[in-house]
Amino acid sequence: QKEVEQNSGPLSVPEGAIASLNCTYSDRGSQSFFWYRQYSGKSPELIMFIYSNGDKEDGRFTAQLNKASQYVSLLIRDSQPSDSATYLCAVRGWGGGADGLTFGKGTHLIIQP
Amino acid sequence: GAVVSQHPSWVICKSGTSVKIECRSLDFQATTMFWYRQFPKQSLMLMATSNEGSKATYEQGVEKDKFLINHASLTLSTLTVTSAHPEDSSFYICSATRQGQQETQYFGPGTRLLVL
Repeated sequence: QKEVEQNSGPLSVPEGAIASLNCTYSDRGSQSFFWYRQYSGKSPELIMFIYSNGDKEDGRFTAQLNKASQYVSLLIRDSQPSDSATYLCAVRGWGGGADGLTFGKGTHLIIQP
Repeated sequence: GAVVSQHPSWVICKSGTSVKIECRSLDFQATTMFWYRQFPKQSLMLMATSNEGSKATYEQGVEKDKFLINHASLTLSTLTVTSAHPEDSSFYICSATRQGQQETQYFGPGTRLLVL
């Protein structure tokens, strides 16, 4: 049974600071790792994905992957109030696009103005 | 962009009735479509994987006779909740992968179902 664990929060970060979100996963066979943002009552929006160990940067967002530790993180630089949302970590196995995603429960992030 | 729509966006029905939810990829052909369910304060749970012209693959614990999936074309998948009961009340979200870009799942806006 694949499991994805996240701290539910809320995580409160002052505006302009760096928000750090963490995720661990149980299945060592997981190949692809995703971060989604979900506003209340809405469906998830993809922020970024990562496949390889190390860092991947996209604008204010940096995803970090450590497969040995089965750990994924998302850093949000220069946090804005509009970043306040629930952040979902998701993983996928060997099947690639044919496989659905296994999601964590999400971390509720609050950016304080 | 890749746009996925769902219809209806919300539905209220009486216990025992059936409800059909449509998921459409508007500007691309979807290799695969997925159906998820999300209860309040919970994560998205994959219910089934759907490919055009073939039977859906259901996740463990999801009743295929209760949640009927029809993937009639490369742009349309439907989920029918048969004989709905209050415990089926949830947020149902579909997603689709695009031919040639199978790494990314594009999510629809979701359908909120309330069974009275």
